[in-house]
Amino acid sequence: GAVVSQHPSWVICKSGTSVKIECRSLDFQATTMFWYRQFPKQSLMLMATSNEGSKATYEQGVEKDKFLINHASLTLSTLTVTSAHPEDSSFYICSARGVGAGFEKLFFGSGTQLSVL
Amino acid sequence: EDKVVQSPLSLVVHEGDTVTLNCSYEVTNFRSLLWYKQEKKAPTFLFMLTSSGIEKKSGRLSSILDKKELSSILNITATQTGDSAIYLCAVEDNYGQNFVFGPGTRLSVLP
Repeated sequence: GAVVSQHPSWVICKSGTSVKIECRSLDFQATTMFWYRQFPKQSLMLMATSNEGSKATYEQGVEKDKFLINHASLTLSTLTVTSAHPEDSSFYICSARGVGAGFEKLFFGSGTQLSVL
Repeated sequence: EDKVVQSPLSLVVHEGDTVTLNCSYEVTNFRSLLWYKQEKKAPTFLFMLTSSGIEKKSGRLSSILDKKELSSILNITATQTGDSAIYLCAVEDNYGQNFVFGPGTRLSVLP
């Protein structure tokens, strides 16, 4: 099956610093990538949708200047949490979908646990 | 606004029991409904349903969609402790750009 790699899986940073999370589709071209945030014991909350080569579409309430999303190629999307604060601590997970039979569903990365001190 | 509801939110059973998880949705332009299992990190894909009334099976798991009732069920027979997880239901709209996730059902299977 299709593989989505997310890196890093765990990051601890100081308040005020920026953190970049990468999401790569390893064996297919991801035309669309989605970024989610998940709090403990809660479901996935969509933050933004990104299509290759165009600006991301952010969900209501998600600050685009704080959560910078770049989808520069068909295999890579990045989420940068700028000037992170403790309230940004969360589990961030990406998913990707491609085109063609078998790629209509979402394939998930393994997630990134961000802890901001 | 598109919405997905799952029930129950939490369920505790013993090994060998059969469980039925429910998902209902309200979406403007329905395209598909997907079930995922999330144990620790990445949700893993279970089923994708697009047509009403056609059951999909994979081992002890099965699922069916009812477009008239705007709902789907996920059945797990002869549950095992390894089935303990959060089961997520997601609905895709017809534009293919939006997947709405339900709150999930947290299933705990006791030995």
